[in-house]
Amino acid sequence: DAGVIQSPRHEVTEMGQEVTLRCKPISGHDYLFWYRQTMMRGLELLIYFNNNVPIDDSGMPEDRFSAKMPNASFSTLKIQPSEPRDSAVYFCASTLGRTPAGGANVLTFGAGSRLTVL
Amino acid sequence: LAKTTQPISMDSYEGQEVNITCSHNNIATNDYITWYQQFPSQGPRFIIQGYKTKVTNEVASLFIPADRKSSTLSLPRVSLSDTAVYYCLVGDIPYSSASKIIFGSGTRLSIRP
Repeated sequence: DAGVIQSPRHEVTEMGQEVTLRCKPISGHDYLFWYRQTMMRGLELLIYFNNNVPIDDSGMPEDRFSAKMPNASFSTLKIQPSEPRDSAVYFCASTLGRTPAGGANVLTFGAGSRLTVL
Repeated sequence: LAKTTQPISMDSYEGQEVNITCSHNNIATNDYITWYQQFPSQGPRFIIQGYKTKVTNEVASLFIPADRKSSTLSLPRVSLSDTAVYYCLVGDIPYSSASKIIFGSGTRLSIRP
């Protein structure tokens, strides 16, 4: 498997523009997470999905942020309109909810999308 | 909510053994302890996981006392490439709460020649 794939790797945009970040989780994984990382706030959980259904979006900063998972192999995180304070690295991660062997499942992260809003 | 507490930073030298301790006083019966490593410009990656006693893999060892209220990640004979941020997470499956998958501030480990 190619792992969790995120695109774009880098995005530079101007304030007010719409930004769409994309994620392809590992095939067969039924949990998908979006995190945001900044120096000031560290890794913040924004939202996570189970079987394509959003379970908890309490970490989404405000209405400008939205996330969708139309199918098991694709998710988007959209910011509209973008602001300079949204500049950060956005990570997508996936995991399998259950394993036959037991144990808590581990998250596999993508390489991240570095967003710069000017 | 099993909140975790780790040292903010640690320094060591190449060839030394490094031990990073994580406190998790409110760990639940079903919770596992998982450690992640993050290099600059990369996402966190899994290092090791355990429930009790000792777990060892090719990268590290994890020591968990009987009360499970803390855990220690042990990195044997570190090298410069072990310079990274290390996160301790406590949680179970299936994830019943987003609070179970919150990363703390982590421990920034710096290895010197």
